[in-house]
Amino acid sequence: QQQVKQSPQSLIVQKGGISIINCAYENTAFDYFPWYQQFPGKGPALLIAIRPDVSEKKEGRFTISFNKSAKQFSLHIMDSQPGDSATYFCAASPGDDKIIFGKGTRLHILP
Amino acid sequence: DSGVTQTPKHLITATGQRVTLRCSPRSGDLSVYWYQQSLDQGLQFLIHYYNGEERAKGNILERFSAQQFPDLHSELNLSSLELGDSALYFCASGQGRLINTIYFGEGSWLTVV
Repeated sequence: QQQVKQSPQSLIVQKGGISIINCAYENTAFDYFPWYQQFPGKGPALLIAIRPDVSEKKEGRFTISFNKSAKQFSLHIMDSQPGDSATYFCAASPGDDKIIFGKGTRLHILP
Repeated sequence: DSGVTQTPKHLITATGQRVTLRCSPRSGDLSVYWYQQSLDQGLQFLIHYYNGEERAKGNILERFSAQQFPDLHSELNLSSLELGDSALYFCASGQGRLINTIYFGEGSWLTVV
């Protein structure tokens, strides 16, 4: 069964610290890996995405690291801010219109 | 604003009743996905339509049904409602085949009392 395993379930980080959320997948046919950010009472919004032909993608304070051989990818939030407190979902797609989500990580940044 | 419109935003109804949630996808998007999110739960995939045809079913109860109309808007019908059906229901849309990014609406809050 296609699965995306996400950890940790919840994370508390001091302001200014680095937040790291990890995901692992099994299906080698996945070729698109987006991350979504969800604030309470809102719909998830696309944050950043990567394809497996690169090992890292950076957008501002957000970086995806991708390890194809280990079938793992992670989201790093540098200089974490209280406004980053949200739930983060990793996802994977096999190149068609299917998309598989992880179970989410609730991130809380301490002021 | 993602461009995906969901109505109603909030709905309170009694057990045993039936409700319809509506979704208008982004302009040009052919795929519509429905998800259920309960308190402290992840995104539970319900069903996916592409250009009017059902593409995939997830953990959707038999009491629930959906359809996508020729103008590409979609409706999720929830019947014989139970207290446990109280949740946030999201619609998401995407361009369709070979395009992987999907965009979520703001959701419809359903409370069953």
